[in-house]
Amino acid sequence: RKEVEQDPGPFNVPEGATVAFNCTYSNSASQSFFWYRQDCRKEPKLLMSVYSSGNEDGRFTAQLNRASQYISLLIRDSKLSDSATYLCVVNPPSGSARQLTFGSGTQLTVLP
Amino acid sequence: GAGVSQSPSNKVTEKGKDVELRCDPISGHTALYWYRQSLGQGLEFLIYFQGNSAPDKSGLPSDRFSAERTGGSVSTLTIQRTQQEDSAVYLCASRLGGLNTEAFFGQGTRLTVV
Repeated sequence: RKEVEQDPGPFNVPEGATVAFNCTYSNSASQSFFWYRQDCRKEPKLLMSVYSSGNEDGRFTAQLNRASQYISLLIRDSKLSDSATYLCVVNPPSGSARQLTFGSGTQLTVLP
Repeated sequence: GAGVSQSPSNKVTEKGKDVELRCDPISGHTALYWYRQSLGQGLEFLIYFQGNSAPDKSGLPSDRFSAERTGGSVSTLTIQRTQQEDSAVYLCASRLGGLNTEAFFGQGTRLTVV
């Protein structure tokens, strides 16, 4: 099983739609979680951290479900500019040889 | 500089030649990562440096790949005897090193082996 798994998509949604992505992780002791956004031919950039109690930033809501070992990203009222690849990132427990495991990304296209 | 800087931004090389890719992390960031991304694919982990600890080289695909980080700052990724399958974007990222700290990426080096 991969350490971090995402549905690759593509998700094609109309402007104004609500869309949600899930990301599952295999290490139950993982410590922290993030969503990154990568535009075509650009480097990934942090979209938001994911907190245990869930968190919201404008149209974006991130949730963590430790029992089922997944994180989610909800985008409301989607805009054309939201078209990108969304990467979930998991930090294994402190002391692991390697940190920051990236999922392979979910591609979103918002259509006019 | 304010961000992670990578050079060159583009590199075209002939099969069999060696290449060196450079990464200047954000000052004070103790953790440094190299990733590789082929067209339309996800990020492939290559190597991770954390402070003075031994690097995690578990992602290097072959012994043609090596990396070093001098003085806990600049890092160089070297690919010897390049092959066409090495063509990809090589991304470097740095972070402060704490569990909840953001990783900042450079703009990458696009390597084309012809």
